[in-house]
Amino acid sequence: EPEVTQTPSHQVTQMGQEVILRCVPISNHLYFYWYRQILGQKVEFLVSFYNNEISEKSEIFDDQFSVERPDGSNFTLKIRSTKLEDSAMYFCASTRAHSGNTIYFGEGSWLTVV
Amino acid sequence: TQLLEQSPQFLSIQEGENLTVYCNSSSVFSSLQWYRQEPGEGPVLLVTVVTGGEVKKLKRLTFQFGDARKDSSLHITAAQPGDTGLYLCAPPNTGNQFYFGTGTSLTVIP
Repeated sequence: EPEVTQTPSHQVTQMGQEVILRCVPISNHLYFYWYRQILGQKVEFLVSFYNNEISEKSEIFDDQFSVERPDGSNFTLKIRSTKLEDSAMYFCASTRAHSGNTIYFGEGSWLTVV
Repeated sequence: TQLLEQSPQFLSIQEGENLTVYCNSSSVFSSLQWYRQEPGEGPVLLVTVVTGGEVKKLKRLTFQFGDARKDSSLHITAAQPGDTGLYLCAPPNTGNQFYFGTGTSLTVIP
């Protein structure tokens, strides 16, 4: 079964450092998402991406965050200057169409900011 | 956002017991999906129910979609510790955002 893959599975970084989380969505999917889950809390929507641009973003997704799809395969989330409160599990997801489709999640990248 | 309320929020049971969790909304959905998220992992799709009244079985898990397509239930028979996790219902993505229900955190005690 095709799957969404994410790297790294776990990253520890110092506060203020830049972090890039990588995702390879399912190959025939067109819509991509990043979510985060702070330990013990709900899965929160960050951003959706289609046709090489952001479709929608939440208020969590401020100027410190950016996404891109540099090579038609990888879908990356960059956090420019990490803060302690950015520590969370970050999930990438993809779906084939704009609506009515199943969304598939990666296994997550656990980010710890110290 | 169409709210999906799940109940109970937390459930702790002994191995071998049966349980049912619910997913309710005031909105009608074309389908509903159930996911399970284990600690430290991403949500994994269990099943999609599509037709009102539909019942789907996945080993010891039985999923039902309400006749009016506003609610769904998940029944687990003879729960095992491996069933422990967060169970999330969700409608299919609508527009740019995809959202989950409020979730039921299940702990099965050996």
